[in-house]
Amino acid sequence: AQSVSQHNHHVILSEAASLELGCNYSYGGTVNLFWYVQYPGQHLQLLLKYFSGDPLVKGIKGFEAEFIKSKFSFNLRKPSVQWSDTAEYFCAVNAQDGGQNFVFGPGTRLSVLP
Amino acid sequence: NAGVTQTPKFRVLKTGQSMTLLCAQDMNHEYMYWYRQDPGMGLRLIHYSVGEGTTAKGEVPDGYNVSRLKKQNFLLGLESAAPSQTSVYFCASSYLHGSILDTIYFGEGSWLTVV
Repeated sequence: AQSVSQHNHHVILSEAASLELGCNYSYGGTVNLFWYVQYPGQHLQLLLKYFSGDPLVKGIKGFEAEFIKSKFSFNLRKPSVQWSDTAEYFCAVNAQDGGQNFVFGPGTRLSVLP
Repeated sequence: NAGVTQTPKFRVLKTGQSMTLLCAQDMNHEYMYWYRQDPGMGLRLIHYSVGEGTTAKGEVPDGYNVSRLKKQNFLLGLESAAPSQTSVYFCASSYLHGSILDTIYFGEGSWLTVV
């Protein structure tokens, strides 16, 4: 069965700092990979997704993620965070062969200090 | 285009009471899901449906029932609420399962407290 792990439970950064959130998954087949963001009191919104092709994916609000197949990783990055990026971030995986439903990581809470 | 809509958004129940959460999607999606979100545990799948008239158990199905009588609606029922079911519930939908185009869309959540 698939599983998704996220390296950090809570990350605290100052504005303008660079961000990298780790995500690793376990699944032997071809996968779709996602990052979702949940702002305080709101629902999950899609930040970016990878299906195939260029392993470096650019999403909304200056976020990007890199798929490294050999490491089963899909880390999220942003060169300069803003206070408005304070949110919880979830990595998710879905098997392209239909072998598994969407599986979400436990989430990483990001707090950006002004 | 409303996307995924959940009702009610907030509810307080007494232990033993029953209630139903309603989810509606207007994207003609085949797949629908109910998740619960608890602090430090991420999203856990309760039940899901692969099409009208079908339901299947997810990771944490006990204490819940679901129905998908119409393609656009997915109902989550609590027959006898327990304090352990205090959580935030999210409905979601996706077009195809396992498709290269698949993306999951979420409703705004339903905050349920069982006292």
